[in-house]
Amino acid sequence: DGGITQSPKYLFRKEGQNVTLSCEQNLNHDAMYWYRQDPGQGLRLIYYSQIVNDFQKGDIAEGYSVSREKKESFPLTVTSAQKNPTAFYLCASSAGLAGVETQYFGPGTRLLVL
Amino acid sequence: QKEVEQNSGPLSVPEGAIASLNCTYSDRGSQSFFWYRQYSGKSPELIMFIYSNGDKEDGRFTAQLNKASQYVSLLIRDSQPSDSATYLCAVNAGYNTDKLIFGTGTRLQVFP
Repeated sequence: DGGITQSPKYLFRKEGQNVTLSCEQNLNHDAMYWYRQDPGQGLRLIYYSQIVNDFQKGDIAEGYSVSREKKESFPLTVTSAQKNPTAFYLCASSAGLAGVETQYFGPGTRLLVL
Repeated sequence: QKEVEQNSGPLSVPEGAIASLNCTYSDRGSQSFFWYRQYSGKSPELIMFIYSNGDKEDGRFTAQLNKASQYVSLLIRDSQPSDSATYLCAVNAGYNTDKLIFGTGTRLQVFP
């Protein structure tokens, strides 16, 4: 099956702890994205990557970091600098940056602070 | 700041009726428009996309785009209780980019 997987489904973070959310896709897509969704809110872009070894900040990158060492993987680290990390985190991918490509979403990771 | 606006709802319609969901956007350079459905606690799933002015139909769903007026709408015919969800409008953030700007969504309730 082709698709996007995210793990874990639920993640608990202690104060001062860094945590990493996994995102893997086997769709052979070039572009990958991380969004954050808060209750009753739209999706806000954290980071995106158009190609391996390259990524750009989105609208709310502070307190987050990413890497793109492989085409199929785009992990997101929520650092201790992110003071309000509780949210639903969504990873997406698209075939490429052409202005017309559809983004497809993974199932999401719900992050909670202990 | 580029924006996508949606009425948060809830929009309540009886089963079998037509549900009409609307979205306006601020960037005239946008060229791609998407409707996603999101059930509570789940991730968004693509319903339709539209690039050209006019209507695009897919089963019970019709997307309508009017670039001059900067709005895009989604019509759901013969609404079913299973259509009850939040519908997110997304617009690409300017010319030749797949970066999307999302509206906050409209919650649709279809009652039997």
